[in-house]
Amino acid sequence: GNSVTQMEGPVTLSEEAFLTINCTYTATGYPSLFWYVQYPGEGLQLLLKATKADDKGSNKGFEATYRKETTSFHLEKGSVQVSDSAVYFCALSSYSSASKIIFGSGTRLSIRP
Amino acid sequence: GAGVSQSPRYKVAKRGQDVALRCDPISGHVSLFWYQQALGQGPEFLTYFQNEAQLDKSGLPSDRFFAERPEGSVSTLKIQRTQQEDSAVYLCASSTLAGGDDTQYFGPGTRLTVL
Repeated sequence: GNSVTQMEGPVTLSEEAFLTINCTYTATGYPSLFWYVQYPGEGLQLLLKATKADDKGSNKGFEATYRKETTSFHLEKGSVQVSDSAVYFCALSSYSSASKIIFGSGTRLSIRP
Repeated sequence: GAGVSQSPRYKVAKRGQDVALRCDPISGHVSLFWYQQALGQGPEFLTYFQNEAQLDKSGLPSDRFFAERPEGSVSTLKIQRTQQEDSAVYLCASSTLAGGDDTQYFGPGTRLTVL
């Protein structure tokens, strides 16, 4: 079945450091790929998405590229801020599974000032 | 505009009690999903509605879990005879499907604690 594997946390970085959170997936067909973020005390928010191979999703300085050849969707940001501290979830959905989203287990990111 | 809302935000139940969790999707959204998020884990799919039709309930963990959306708008997730392992955050999401957009928008969740 479809699944998502992401880098385990917690990840602790200093402000302005470069961020990579790895994510790989297993799916039949051509899923859509997502990164969701959960800030402390808030609900789950869509951060970015990509719907086909080689698409790059971007938002708030974060980027992720849909790599079908490596079945990956790694999240990157060039210079993190304290306000980026949150839990990040990699996820996929496909019409073959009625668009239900399958999430990874989440990566907690903490940024030190 | 208003997002997805859920109520109550917090619910404490004694083991064996029945609970009902409500979801108000974004107005006009056709699809509605329920997910269960255990502590420290990613959300897991429970069930899916398109309008009032429940098209997929494969994720419901037992027959104590029941969901409905009788008029194709508000949905209720009911858990009968709650157990401690039901303690989790229950998330509702809706999507429009208009123009092929399947983006799901999540509510704040209901945190259920079973004592």
